[in-house]
Amino acid sequence: GAGVSQSPSNKVTEKGKDVELRCDPISGHTALYWYRQSLGQGLEFLIYFQGNSAPDKSGLPSDRFSAERTGGSVSTLTIQRTQQEDSAVYLCASSPTKRGGGTDTQYFGPGTRLTVL
Amino acid sequence: AQKITQTQPGMFVQEKEAVTLDCTYDTSDPSYGLFWYKQPSSGEMIFLIYQGSYDQQNATEGRYSLNFQKARKSANLVISASQLGDSAMYFCAMRGANTGNQFYFGTGTSLTVIP
Repeated sequence: GAGVSQSPSNKVTEKGKDVELRCDPISGHTALYWYRQSLGQGLEFLIYFQGNSAPDKSGLPSDRFSAERTGGSVSTLTIQRTQQEDSAVYLCASSPTKRGGGTDTQYFGPGTRLTVL
Repeated sequence: AQKITQTQPGMFVQEKEAVTLDCTYDTSDPSYGLFWYKQPSSGEMIFLIYQGSYDQQNATEGRYSLNFQKARKSANLVISASQLGDSAMYFCAMRGANTGNQFYFGTGTSLTVIP
């Protein structure tokens, strides 16, 4: 079946502009995650959704970052007034599990490479 | 607090040899899962193997095995018979039963397989 998809695959924007990144999880997956990965670095957790609600927003770097999920499916990560330090690959993942722990792994999308000039 | 530590930023292995990538973790959760992912230069994250904290046996998936030592809080990945295609970043991750669905990742190990 279809995996996690993300769009756009690449985004180049000017400093100060707003951007929207989209994630389409695997159908039926209740949990959805956003991560940020700077060049050569590990994954930085941003936010995760269980259904449409976000129990944990602790990773969002600033109030310029926000995310929503509608219909328990598609999620949008919005970065307002982008800064050069926002340049990174933004990865989305989904997981079928409805509760914590357990064997369900995350399935990752291909990522969106954001470049802020 | 949950924490994953990968102390090897880079590793080299000769083709066809075995290699061990280290991962230690810290958690207060009585039940947790440990995961390994591979990230080739293309950027995709590929799930490799899973170990549950109550599993009695070490997990194996083809050439991948997980050397799980619960008392030491370590979950090292062993890759046998390395292939050139194994060259990639490898990330260890953990999810605890009491921390909802959040995954915690290590900083990764870059593996280079030498022909």
